[in-house]
Amino acid sequence: GAVVSQHPSWVICKSGTSVKIECRSLDFQATTMFWYRQFPKQSLMLMATSNEGSKATYEQGVEKDKFLINHASLTLSTLTVTSAHPEDSSFYICSAHIAGGKGGDEQFFGPGTRLTVL
Amino acid sequence: RKEVEQDPGPFNVPEGATVAFNCTYSNSASQSFFWYRQDCRKEPKLLMSVYSSGNEDGRFTAQLNRASQYISLLIRDSKLSDSATYLCVVSIRAYKYIFGTGTRLKVLA
Repeated sequence: GAVVSQHPSWVICKSGTSVKIECRSLDFQATTMFWYRQFPKQSLMLMATSNEGSKATYEQGVEKDKFLINHASLTLSTLTVTSAHPEDSSFYICSAHIAGGKGGDEQFFGPGTRLTVL
Repeated sequence: RKEVEQDPGPFNVPEGATVAFNCTYSNSASQSFFWYRQDCRKEPKLLMSVYSSGNEDGRFTAQLNRASQYISLLIRDSKLSDSATYLCVVSIRAYKYIFGTGTRLKVLA
């Protein structure tokens, strides 16, 4: 199956710093990637849809100036959490979208990045 | 009302048991349906898509009832390795996926 990697897998940072998370599709090209956030014992919440070569589409309530998304190539999308605060501590997961796969449209998830802001 | 609702569980079942999960969705225009499995502190992995006619993959059977707006997942002959959280996912349009909060399953030896 399609493989998606994320880097780093975990990060601990001080409040006020910015953190960049990379999401790569390793063996396929993805024009669309998604960024999710998951708090403990909660479900994945879509933050934004990242489209290669264009601006990301943010979900309601997600600050685009705080969560910067760049999708400069068909295999790489990045999420930058700017001026991170403790309430941003969460599990951030990306996924790459493949249209018309075996089971129809499919998402392949990266392994996630656990962010802890002190 | 949440767009996708699941019983959070946990469902504690003995090995070999059959267990069923339900998921309801609120948007009647929903187009695609999936079950994902998520292990603790890991990413979700696609278990199976759900087709209108129902579909089976080994010990797993998925059903869709559009009239009542629910999907189900049946696991037969539960294994210890089936212990995980099962996420119901509904696509309401292209590139828009809504995740349920998940149902925790614990299979006991």
